[in-house]
Parts: sequence; C-alpha cells; structure tokens
Amino acid sequence: TQLLEQSPQFLSIQEGENLTVYCNSSSVFSSLQWYRQEPGEGPVLLVTVVTGGEVKKLKRLTFQFGDARKDSSLHITAAQPGDTGLYLCAGALGGYKLSFGAGTTVTVRA
Amino acid sequence: EAGVAQSPRYKIIEKRQSVAFWCNPISGHATLYWYQQILGQGPKLLIQFQNNGVVDDSQLPKDRFSAERLKGVDSTLKIQPAKLEDSAVYLCASSPRLTSGMDEQFFGPGTRLTVL
Repeated sequence: TQLLEQSPQFLSIQEGENLTVYCNSSSVFSSLQWYRQEPGEGPVLLVTVVTGGEVKKLKRLTFQFGDARKDSSLHITAAQPGDTGLYLCAGALGGYKLSFGAGTTVTVRA
Repeated sequence: EAGVAQSPRYKIIEKRQSVAFWCNPISGHATLYWYQQILGQGPKLLIQFQNNGVVDDSQLPKDRFSAERLKGVDSTLKIQPAKLEDSAVYLCASSPRLTSGMDEQFFGPGTRLTVL
C-alpha cells in the first residue's frame, strides 16, 4: 500500500484547460515534494513545500500544502502539451527518507 | 554540469539469470539512492548510501539483491537470481548531502529491466 495516495490516476485535457491533481495521506509530513517524470527519463523536482498552508507558484503551476501537512495539490493553469508527464508527490515523514505516491499521468492534447 | 549516468538503459534477461546495473552520480554528491519503479507505481527506495556507507537498506530484498558503492563514487546494483516480479525501471539518484527530505534528489534516466 502507498503511504501517499494520488488522484486521479489519469487525466487527459485539451490545451488551454486547467487541471488539479491531489496527493493525500493519513500521515503528517515534515516536507513534501512534487516531481514530473517524462517517458524514459527520471523524475525532476518541481517544488518542495515545508510549511502547513504554504502556497508556491512556478509560472503556471501552483502548489499547495495542506494546513495539517497531510495533503497537497498541484494546479496547472492553461495547460500546454509540454506539461504532459507523470506527476509524482513524495513526502518525508520527519527524516531523510522519501515515500512516493503512484503518480498522476497527465496528457495535454494540442 | 553532467547529470546522473546509468547503464545499461535496457536489459532483457530470463528468470534465474543475474544482472547488474551501474550508476555514476553527479560529481561531489555524497548521497546515492537506488529506487525500483514498477509500472504504474511510484519509485520505491531500495538502498541509500552516504559516501560508501549504507544509510538505509530496509526495503532491499537481500536474498537476491546486493549493492555496493566502492570509494564513495559510482555504484552497482545486482540481482541474482532474477524473478519475473523484478521487471521494473531501476532509478539511481544522488544529492549533495544526507537529505533531510527537503533536498533535491537528481535522478538518472533509469535502466528498464524485463525478466522473461
């Protein structure tokens, strides 16, 4: 069983639409990271959130860490085909070890 | 700056055979990780090294998997003998220090293993 549950598992949208993916757990995390993985490549870090309630923006991507530090969301505004990929959340329970969710596969159609 | 290098990129073997993967981390990175990513799942940590010492190998199936990081630089992961359920992408990652969970891990492209 995964410590972090991601939803939805798959998401297919048209270019220009908005999307939100979620990462939930019953555990409290000291920090949480979001990665994007493209086919045939390793994951690449997008953001790290540390403080409950924290919101970070990276161009068209908005990341939010829940107040209780048990959940997080990633919102993409005006999605582009280049946003296509597997979005993974990963949490640290207080130490150094990251636990990854199963990911959300996002496809943005041109 | 060169990234994390892994080889081979693809490997196909039959069950009960042996296989080895190689990883060269980013120069100067003290911490090296091996992950297993089964299709449809997120990466699962197999083993973590700090320099040439093992920090965490709690999820490494030690009856068939072994890993070493001689001289604290590059690393090899071996499976002997392989089982069908070992089919996965094996990712190597490195970070500058023993990560607190907030540090970025830099991943290589992975080795896709297929066990027939």
